[in-house]
Amino acid sequence: SQQGEEDPQALSIQEGENATMNCSYKTSINNLQWYRQNSGRGLVHLILIRSNEREKHSGRLRVTLDTSKKSSSLLITASRAADTASYFCATDRVGSARQLTFGSGTQLTVLP
Amino acid sequence: DTAVSQTPKYLVTQMGNDKSIKCEQNLGHDTMYWYKQDSKKFLKIMFSYNNKELIINETVPNRFSPKSPDKAHLNLHINSLELGDSAVYFCASSYPRRGAADTQYFGPGTRLTVL
Repeated sequence: SQQGEEDPQALSIQEGENATMNCSYKTSINNLQWYRQNSGRGLVHLILIRSNEREKHSGRLRVTLDTSKKSSSLLITASRAADTASYFCATDRVGSARQLTFGSGTQLTVLP
Repeated sequence: DTAVSQTPKYLVTQMGNDKSIKCEQNLGHDTMYWYKQDSKKFLKIMFSYNNKELIINETVPNRFSPKSPDKAHLNLHINSLELGDSAVYFCASSYPRRGAADTQYFGPGTRLTVL
């Protein structure tokens, strides 16, 4: 069964606004990662947060993790048209670090 | 360029044919993966190899056979192609370390269309 579920499925915002995407998962995890996929391309790793961390920043990205709720959020601040892409969360289950399970993805469209 | 590369990028074929997709990584990673992404963008792992040894084999029809001649290559051979095999197939690689998380590097994908 699918480990991660993202919402919203699609998000459309104006350039300069912030975009927030959420991910929920089902089992205990070691880490949670966010990946980005531009149309017609492969996935690119953005940021990783460990299960003992609550928040992490990287440039305009901010990730939070709530293991009690089994959920994570990805915030992109001051969005740009180039941020338009699909965003996926991926979890590796305890005892299975090499096997990532991906969520269903959020399609973000940033309008210029 | 250092990267994960796949060939071909597009593959259009008739039902019942046999086809192969090749993947190579020059990142020095020791683990490689094949994923299938369906039309709804749902990404599901199919296989994983570590140092040429199969370590993950999800519920995939045995028409799909991965082959790893060395740790830099993981090819995917598909026999008797079916309409439902149409999807984008991604190769990925990683270098898992004890106590470290497993970040994966993806190839550009191969769009397979079965007619």
